[in-house]
Order: sequence, then C-alpha cells, then structure tokens
Amino acid sequence: AQKVTQAQTEISVVEKEDVTLDCVYETRDTTYYLFWYKQPPSGELVFLIRRNSFDEQNEISGRYSWNFQKSTSSFNFTITASQVVDSAVYFCAFRNGGSQGNLIFGKGTKLSVKP
Amino acid sequence: DVKVTQSSRYLVKRTGEKVFLECVQDMDHENMFWYRQDPGLGLRLIYFSYDVKMKEKGDIPEGYSVSREKKERFSLILESASTNQTSMYLCASGHLGLAGGETQYFGPGTRLLVL
Repeated sequence: AQKVTQAQTEISVVEKEDVTLDCVYETRDTTYYLFWYKQPPSGELVFLIRRNSFDEQNEISGRYSWNFQKSTSSFNFTITASQVVDSAVYFCAFRNGGSQGNLIFGKGTKLSVKP
Repeated sequence: DVKVTQSSRYLVKRTGEKVFLECVQDMDHENMFWYRQDPGLGLRLIYFSYDVKMKEKGDIPEGYSVSREKKERFSLILESASTNQTSMYLCASGHLGLAGGETQYFGPGTRLLVL
C-alpha cells in the first residue's frame, strides 16, 4: 500500500533561516506522482509543485526548491531565507500512475517562521 | 486561474440535522473530490466523482452522500449530522487524465461544527 510520511510535525525557525521539510513515500509502483501543497491559516490548500516518478531533476522556484531522490523515496522541500508569510502547514501527497482517485496525503508539517 | 468555491466558510448545525455542503468549480474539470481534514489525521477522502451523476466512495464514506447533477457542482450531504462529523471539509477538482498525474485544486474549506 502507498504511504506518505512527514516525520516533522512542527518546525519553528527565525526569519531568513533556511528550512527543509521532509517527505518520504512508500510504493511498489514504477509510475507515480508527488505533490506539495501549502495550507496557510486561511485554510485553502495551495498547489506548489507536481513531480512524476521519471523526472528526478531538482526544481527551483524563487526561494523554494525540491529535491526528489528515488533511491531514498524522498521528495524534500526547502525554503531558503524563510519569511513570516511562509508560516503554514505543508502537505506532501502521492498518487500512483493510472489512478483517478484520491491523493494520499502525509499528515503535514506546521512551519512557524518568527520575525 | 482555477477557482473552486465552497458555499460556506463556517457552519454550525445541530445533531440530527441534514447538512448540505456545496462546491463549484469554473475550470470544466471532470473530477471533483470531497475530503475532511482533522488534526493528527491529515486529509481523508470521503467521495469523489469523475463525471456527472457518477460517484466513487473514498476512504471514509460512512455517514455521507454526494450529488453531482452538473459538471461544475459537487455537493456533500450529511444525512443526519453527528458530533463526530465536526471537521474541516475541503473540496477539490481536477482534470480527468489517463496518467493520474493531474493536479487537484482546492477550495477554501468549510469548518463545520455539529452541536
């Protein structure tokens, strides 16, 4: 069965620190998709990134970067020079290829960035 | 810009009441989803629909039903609300694809309190 683990329940950093949110997944499928979402205090989940299992290139988008490593079944998310607006709960999610159903979510990591 | 809207941000109901949560998307997405989010449990899928009048049970369908009479609208129904249905309810939509990699876009959520 597929599973997504976000071992860090809560992280607290001071503004301008770099922070990495860990995500480890379990699957026997060879084709699958990984996602990161951000949930600010307002409640809406905001889509950040999607990666397929055949694309192990790391991705950078501004202060955000993602490190996908199939060898360790990890899809970690790093925020560089964190800001107070980055405070949110971050979810990693998984879906196997060919499935039209639900995303399997990790339990989320609550990030608090203090000024 | 993808827009998923939910009829209420906050709702207070009494035990035994019939409750309707409405979700509308404006991107002509085939798939629509209802999740509930609870502390420590993450997001869990209640029902999803891949076409008008079609529905599939998710992980926790008990106590819920759904209706999809039009492509853009997906309703979640609590036939007889109970206190253990107090939760945050999130609607999502996404395109129907063959590969399973299609992104889901979420609405702002409805916080339901059942007294």
